[in-house]
Amino acid sequence: GAGVSQSPSNKVTEKGKDVELRCDPISGHTALYWYRQSLGQGLEFLIYFQGNSAPDKSGLPSDRFSAERTGGSVSTLTIQRTQQEDSAVYLCASSLVASGGAGTGELFFGEGSRLTVL
Amino acid sequence: AQSVTQLGSHVSVSEGALVLLRCNYSSSVPPYLFWYVQYPNQGLQLLLKYTTGATLVKGINGFEAEFKKSETSFHLTKPSAHMSDAAEYFCAVVRTDKLIFGTGTRLQVFP
Repeated sequence: GAGVSQSPSNKVTEKGKDVELRCDPISGHTALYWYRQSLGQGLEFLIYFQGNSAPDKSGLPSDRFSAERTGGSVSTLTIQRTQQEDSAVYLCASSLVASGGAGTGELFFGEGSRLTVL
Repeated sequence: AQSVTQLGSHVSVSEGALVLLRCNYSSSVPPYLFWYVQYPNQGLQLLLKYTTGATLVKGINGFEAEFKKSETSFHLTKPSAHMSDAAEYFCAVVRTDKLIFGTGTRLQVFP
């Protein structure tokens, strides 16, 4: 597709269940980011993948959160044993180059996956 | 560490009035600064960015921002608001290859 695609667009789950959120970045983009958007909290950085380098996981809020990126393309964000405070919109973004260094790459965002934990 | 602060979570203006959305940054090195906009039920899109060079940066839809090192600010302005400008606006700064966003400012435009 032409843009960043995320699925599902909406997910309602029960507390304690595991969820997987998928991101399909723009073809050829080497950098991929996950953010969490909560009411009044802005966008919180979660994790960043760049090519074959080890991901920057510094924003993951707990060990219940993990993410992988297979083949340098599709990424999956997994939340285990979901809690009510995990309810938020999870945004994925990709860019041709990383945001710092020699390239101040523009991030292209998907429309997000809205997670509601009951 | 680099960060940004957006003053005012909500701003309301009349159509045709000046739009001013405030952003202050904290950075020990020359910052790369961005403004993104999120229209209702859509993903974020880039409005404009400052890296180096001219301190007055022009973006899409008539928006512009001025980098002021002495004030550590990167405020977003538009001379005349339009109803279609109603959205949430995020200021962001680069920190080690990732964008760190502010908490956002929701702009309402009244007829």
